[in-house]
Amino acid sequence: EIVLTQSPGTLSLSPGEGATLSCRASQSVSGSHLAWYQQKPGQAPRLLIHDTSNRATGIPDRFSGSGSRTDFTLSINRLEPEDFAVYYCQQYGSLPRTFGQGTKVEIK
Amino acid sequence: EVQLVESGGGLVQSGGSLRLSCAASGFTFSTYWVAWVRQAPGKGLEWVANIGQDGSEKYYVDSAKGRFTISRDNAKSSLYLQMNSLRVEDTALYYCATDYRGAFHYWGQGTLVTVSS
Repeated sequence: EIVLTQSPGTLSLSPGEGATLSCRASQSVSGSHLAWYQQKPGQAPRLLIHDTSNRATGIPDRFSGSGSRTDFTLSINRLEPEDFAVYYCQQYGSLPRTFGQGTKVEIK
Repeated sequence: EVQLVESGGGLVQSGGSLRLSCAASGFTFSTYWVAWVRQAPGKGLEWVANIGQDGSEKYYVDSAKGRFTISRDNAKSSLYLQMNSLRVEDTALYYCATDYRGAFHYWGQGTLVTVSS
């Protein structure tokens, strides 16, 4: 099983600042099959990025993903008020599908 | 508009059973893999199971093998999860989601399963 470790656990930032979230895999993720999700309180997760760097439908271009093998990054350029949420990475290169434990982006 | 609506959650005693359902609309259900993903209260996300377009391929997380059965009815655009021998640690919000090559593109709002001891 591939274990995904996200860092930091919490990121305290102000609107307008940039955010960099890390996701590290215990083994290489096959085919760069890594996704990022955003979850707000009381809501279902929303897919932001798939295949490491492809934005899902309707996702603004201030969200971008990068990385390969075991190290992946979600970058948020100029945080908007609606971006404060919990973010999860997920690998689907092998079974079982696994998620990271999440990074909370909170307002400073 | 893609819609996934889960139902069937509730309170059940340890060792009991529940059957979750997910009604899909707004897309051609029979052409998609679909999955169940759960989230324990205040915790992260855990993939539970997924099923291929015609139901012949099914995969489970180890903790669900032998206890949970995923199935689908394409004529009814519906996904199911039969959960037997429930444990306290199965307590979670259960989401159904479309599974496109492993990424979960669309999600329902979830149905809450609470297992008491």
